[in-house]
Amino acid sequence: EAGVTQSPRYAVLQEGQAVSFWCDPISGHDTLYWYQQPRDQGPQLLVYFRDEAVIDNSQLPSDRFSAVRPKGTNSTLKIQSAKQGDTATYLCASSFYEQYFGPGTRLTVL
Amino acid sequence: GQQVQQSPASLVLQEGENAELQCNFSSTATRLQWFYQHPGGRLVSLFYNPSGTKHTGRLTSTTVTNERRSSLHISSSQTTDSGTYFCASLQGTGSKLSFGKGAKLTVSP
Repeated sequence: EAGVTQSPRYAVLQEGQAVSFWCDPISGHDTLYWYQQPRDQGPQLLVYFRDEAVIDNSQLPSDRFSAVRPKGTNSTLKIQSAKQGDTATYLCASSFYEQYFGPGTRLTVL
Repeated sequence: GQQVQQSPASLVLQEGENAELQCNFSSTATRLQWFYQHPGGRLVSLFYNPSGTKHTGRLTSTTVTNERRSSLHISSSQTTDSGTYFCASLQGTGSKLSFGKGAKLTVSP
């Protein structure tokens, strides 16, 4: 069984640029999560879905961040106008019960 | 919201020594997971342990739910155990895990 996959693995941007992250969860997992993990800190939940519905996006900076999961499978997280403070690793996880994580996308905003 | 506190924040051992990592959470958890993260690596689930004691290899997790604490014991540590260990807990029927800040373990040969 394939694990959670993410792309790209790395991204380097100038402030103000846009970037999208893509996640393919484990087949059969109904719940998908996006986390932000700053360097030397624990993951912090941004948003999570059950099937295609957003369950909690209270920690998602809605002015610049957006996330979709249109068919209840893959998901995309987008940052419209990146800031230096967005520098972090972005993790996707999926679960039916226990959470499994992807390898993450390491974002650097210059 | 759910608060998760881990201790110690960092630990340095000689190979062969044992490690004990602690996790305290602020309210009754319905799910408690321990994760391992190698520097630059993905988070790997070690234990899903909402209560009781579980073993795998040299690792033992013990969660006492009504005391809102969990521990991870690593016996006979190896250099390959070096990395960061996270505790995460979930309350109620939702699916939102709250993570601690992690415990950085360094095992020297």
